Amino acid sequence: EAGVAQSPRYKIIEKRQSVAFWCNPISGHATLYWYQQILGQGPKLLIQFQNNGVVDDSQLPKDRFSAERLKGVDSTLKIQPAKLEDSAVYLCASSLASGTENGYTFGSGTRLTVV
Amino acid sequence: EDQVTQSPEALRLQEGESSSLNCSYTVSGLRGLFWYRQDPGKGPEFLFTLYSAGEEKEKERLKATLTKKESFLHITAPKPEDSATYLCAVQGWGGGGADGLTFGKGTHLIIQP
Repeated sequence: EAGVAQSPRYKIIEKRQSVAFWCNPISGHATLYWYQQILGQGPKLLIQFQNNGVVDDSQLPKDRFSAERLKGVDSTLKIQPAKLEDSAVYLCASSLASGTENGYTFGSGTRLTVV
Repeated sequence: EDQVTQSPEALRLQEGESSSLNCSYTVSGLRGLFWYRQDPGKGPEFLFTLYSAGEEKEKERLKATLTKKESFLHITAPKPEDSATYLCAVQGWGGGGADGLTFGKGTHLIIQP
């Protein structure tokens, strides 16, 4: 089965600019997550979708970050305006259902550098 | 607030030299404890889920164990291809269907030939 697809792989922007990341989960996976991984840290959950509804966005900095999942499939994560501390890898993950025996499948991520 | 602490931060072993990685956690109600492997430039790759104290799971040279406060990832006779960052994460019983993972910082493991 195809994995979780993310694009772009790399992005360099100046602070105060905007940027968007795209994720295509594994076919049939209802649950989709966005994580932020700062260098040397473990991933941190930003938002969880169940189909096209938001389940948990308690750790999403809503003044600058937004995310949507149209039609319950693909998802986009946007940052506007970006700050230097947003430099990180943004990982998308998906699962059939929550708390699965097989864990979650992660994409390879988008590495964002804000200069 | 769920918390995960992993130790050591980095570990260098000779090929064939067995060792263990530690994951200490605090969670209001443990739904699952996860181990992932992460290679440079890639997303985490799922290894194990443990659900209750006393549970053990094995996969090739890896064995994960769980107590009420910590988990261990035992690596037996490792090979250079086992070099990676190993991440531990917990999942609690969040309200409203929330089930995201709380990760530790990981242990960077290097196996020298």
